[in-house]
Amino acid sequence: DQQVKQNSPSLSVQEGRISILNCDYTNSMFDYFLWYKKYPAEGPTFLISISSIKDKNEDGRFTVFLNKSAKHLSLHIVPSQPGDSAVYFCAATLGNQGGKLIFGQGTELSVKP
Amino acid sequence: EPEVTQTPSHQVTQMGQEVILRCVPISNHLYFYWYRQILGQKVEFLVSFYNNEISEKSEIFDDQFSVERPDGSNFTLKIRSTKLEDSAMYFCASSAGQGRNTGELFFGEGSRLTVL
Repeated sequence: DQQVKQNSPSLSVQEGRISILNCDYTNSMFDYFLWYKKYPAEGPTFLISISSIKDKNEDGRFTVFLNKSAKHLSLHIVPSQPGDSAVYFCAATLGNQGGKLIFGQGTELSVKP
Repeated sequence: EPEVTQTPSHQVTQMGQEVILRCVPISNHLYFYWYRQILGQKVEFLVSFYNNEISEKSEIFDDQFSVERPDGSNFTLKIRSTKLEDSAMYFCASSAGQGRNTGELFFGEGSRLTVL
């Protein structure tokens, strides 16, 4: 089941620069997308979400962009901080299966001071 | 800040034994979930629970698995006869709503199950 894919297993960025994490999906019926952050030995923590009726959602340093025609979403973190170092998962869901999140494999972000 | 709590944090069991993982969801949430992550793999949906019944389950959630909300606060996952491949981190989650109204799922810290 590869409905949600994060093709980059890791990303290294310098503190203060932009981090861009990418996610692709195959199911055009997905209508809600989320990004979660996960530290070792902890559960995933919600970061930001976007509905399929929007193409951008911003919350502080975090912005999610959705390109429905390309079935692609991305998470931008500006500026990146060392505390942002974690595994980032994108997830998608169908409106009638709200709690059934389909996760990507995750991208491990390392922000170097 | 309200949080989802899970016990035990780590359980080691012999193959074939029954295991119960416990969760206390956030008190005003109505939807409850179990997910799992096998080491090195994706976080996978197991089951969702609403209004005292299963609302959705995945192919993984076969007859060996069951969920229960025995009282107003706890939400449990039982594995009747554990197999080696059940070794994973099991995450409980809860939400106030679903879909666009969900906001987000709140996850617990996980229960690591090791089956020997």
